[in-house]
Amino acid sequence: DGGITQSPKYLFRKEGQNVTLSCEQNLNHDAMYWYRQDPGQGLRLIYYSQIVNDFQKGDIAEGYSVSREKKESFPLTVTSAQKNPTAFYLCASSTRGTGGYEQYFGPGTRLTVT
Amino acid sequence: QKEVEQNSGPLSVPEGAIASLNCTYSDRGSQSFFWYRQYSGKSPELIMSIYSNGDKEDGRFTAQLNKASQYVSLLIRDSQPSDSATYLCAVNRRRGTPLVFGKGTRLSVIA
Repeated sequence: DGGITQSPKYLFRKEGQNVTLSCEQNLNHDAMYWYRQDPGQGLRLIYYSQIVNDFQKGDIAEGYSVSREKKESFPLTVTSAQKNPTAFYLCASSTRGTGGYEQYFGPGTRLTVT
Repeated sequence: QKEVEQNSGPLSVPEGAIASLNCTYSDRGSQSFFWYRQYSGKSPELIMSIYSNGDKEDGRFTAQLNKASQYVSLLIRDSQPSDSATYLCAVNRRRGTPLVFGKGTRLSVIA
């Protein structure tokens, strides 16, 4: 089955620890994205990557880091510098649809930091 | 002015009625428009895309785009309780740039 997988579904960490969220896609999409969703805040873009070995900061990149060594994979590291890391993290990928970039989401990882 | 604006709701409609969800955007050069449905605790699911002025129908869903008014809407006919979710409007300003999302409208269909 083609799709986007994120693991784990739930993640618990202690404050001060770095944590890496996995995102893999087998849709052969070039572009991949990371969003954060908080209650009442909508989706906020953390980082995105249009091609392998290249990525750009989104609106809230501080305290996060990414890599794009393979087309299929776009892991996100939440560092200890991120002040409020508890959130729902969504990975997405996109292709060039008819006239636009149709973006598809993975199931998400819910991170809780205490 | 926010880039993509939606009424947060909740919008309550009776079962079988038409639900009308609205979205405005600020960048007049925007090219592509999308509607996502998000159930509580789940990730967003793409349900409609529209690229040119007018209406686009898919089953019970109709997307409407008016670029002159910078307005896009989603109509859900014969609303069902299973349609109860948050609906996100997303806009692609330029090719190659990420989508910009509204905060979503929560729809509640009352049986």
